[in-house]
Amino acid sequence: DAGVTQSPTHLIKTRGQQVTLRCSPKSGHDTVSWYQQALGQGPQFIFQYYEEEERQRGNFPDRFSGHQFPNYSSELNVNALLLGDSALYLCASSLVAREFDEQYFGPGTRLTVT
Amino acid sequence: AQSVTQPDIHITVSEGASLELRCNYSYGATPYLFWYVQSPGQGLQLLLKYFSGDTLVQGIKGFEAEFKRSQSSFNLRKPSVHWSDAAEYFCAVVGGTYKYIFGTGTRLKVLA
Repeated sequence: DAGVTQSPTHLIKTRGQQVTLRCSPKSGHDTVSWYQQALGQGPQFIFQYYEEEERQRGNFPDRFSGHQFPNYSSELNVNALLLGDSALYLCASSLVAREFDEQYFGPGTRLTVT
Repeated sequence: AQSVTQPDIHITVSEGASLELRCNYSYGATPYLFWYVQSPGQGLQLLLKYFSGDTLVQGIKGFEAEFKRSQSSFNLRKPSVHWSDAAEYFCAVVGGTYKYIFGTGTRLKVLA
C-alpha cells in the first residue's frame, strides 16, 4: 500500500519565480492538506482540499494556491516567491469521513529560495 | 483560538532513562490530540492520539500519553529511551475547523 508521495524532493528557485509542488495521497484517502514547516518550527497549516475544492485555509497569502484533481492528487502553487518561503512543504492525506482522525504525511519537498 | 505549547525546545536524556515531553493546549471544547515524531529529513509519523475515553493512551514504539483536562496537558512519556528515539516530537490539536495546530516541537537527544 503506497503511502503519501511528494515530488520533487528538493527544489531551488529564485525570488519572484513560481513553483508547483505535487502530492499523491495514500490509497483510499480523499482529502489532502498542505503544511509549511520552516526550519526549527512546527508545521503550519496552509489549506485543505476535498472534492476538488479548498475546504479550509490557514493564514497564508493568496500567493499560495492549490488544486485537487479527480484522482485526489493535489498541487501546491506558490507565486512571486520570497526568501521567507524557503521551507519544507508537507502534504498530508486523510479520509473526510474521519475528519478528525490521523493525517498521513509525506516526506516533504524542501524548497530553497535564493 | 486553538494553540499548542511545547515548553521544551531541546531535551537530552541517557539511553535507558525515562522520558517525558510536555504539551499544553488551548481549546474551548474537548480537543482531539496527537503526538507525531519526525526523524531528520522525514515526514511526520503518528505516535498516538486521543479523542475520548481512557485518558491514558498507548502508542507505537512504547510511547504513552496522558490527557489531563484540568491542566490542559497531553504529555508524552516513555519508560526507557532507546538511541533510535532521537528525533523531533510534535504535539498537535485539531478542533472543529479541520486545521491541525502543531506546537513548535521538542528535539530529543539520546546519550549512549
